Amino acid sequence: EDKVVQSPLSLVVHEGDTVTLNCSYEVTNFRSLLWYKQEKKAPTFLFMLTSSGIEKKSGRLSSILDKKELSSILNITATQTGDSAIYLCAVLLSNFGNEKLTFGTGTRLTIIP
Amino acid sequence: DGGITQSPKYLFRKEGQNVTLSCEQNLNHDAMYWYRQDPGQGLRLIYYSQIVNDFQKGDIAEGYSVSREKKESFPLTVTSAQKNPTAFYLCASSTSPQGAAFSYEQYFGPGTRLTVT
Repeated sequence: EDKVVQSPLSLVVHEGDTVTLNCSYEVTNFRSLLWYKQEKKAPTFLFMLTSSGIEKKSGRLSSILDKKELSSILNITATQTGDSAIYLCAVLLSNFGNEKLTFGTGTRLTIIP
Repeated sequence: DGGITQSPKYLFRKEGQNVTLSCEQNLNHDAMYWYRQDPGQGLRLIYYSQIVNDFQKGDIAEGYSVSREKKESFPLTVTSAQKNPTAFYLCASSTSPQGAAFSYEQYFGPGTRLTVT
């Protein structure tokens, strides 16, 4: 059974801190790993990672994939209250042309002013 | 504006009734998806469709049905056979893996919160 596990489940930090969120996976037919941010309702796309060791960066957010360790991290530096959200990791699987995303449970990040 | 709409935002039903959730997109995407979100469970795939008139079961399809008669629309019916239907339902769309403009990014609708009592 395909599995995506995120840790920690919940994290509370002060504004200005740096956080690292983890995602590990045990799947067959891995294609890519994606990160989403979910604030109130719908998730919004952050990054897609396909190659190991190549960092993707967007402002204060960055992410990297380690295919050997079957994991990815999402870093947020100089956190702000607007970063408070659930961060979802998803793995894109490809099986004979059928592609689907399998999601982790998410990490709930709370930034205290 | 391009996007995905889901209606209604909140839906209340009595146990034993079928209910249909609407999902419409004007992004010209071939692929559409339905997910269910429960606390502590992340998003779980119910059904997906990569082209009109074709759809596949996801991980938790039992008790649900879908249709894909038009590219823009992918309604989900929660039947009375679904044992625990109260949840937050999210619809998403993306370009098709077979298309030249394929992107793995999925665009999500605002969701429908279904409560069955």
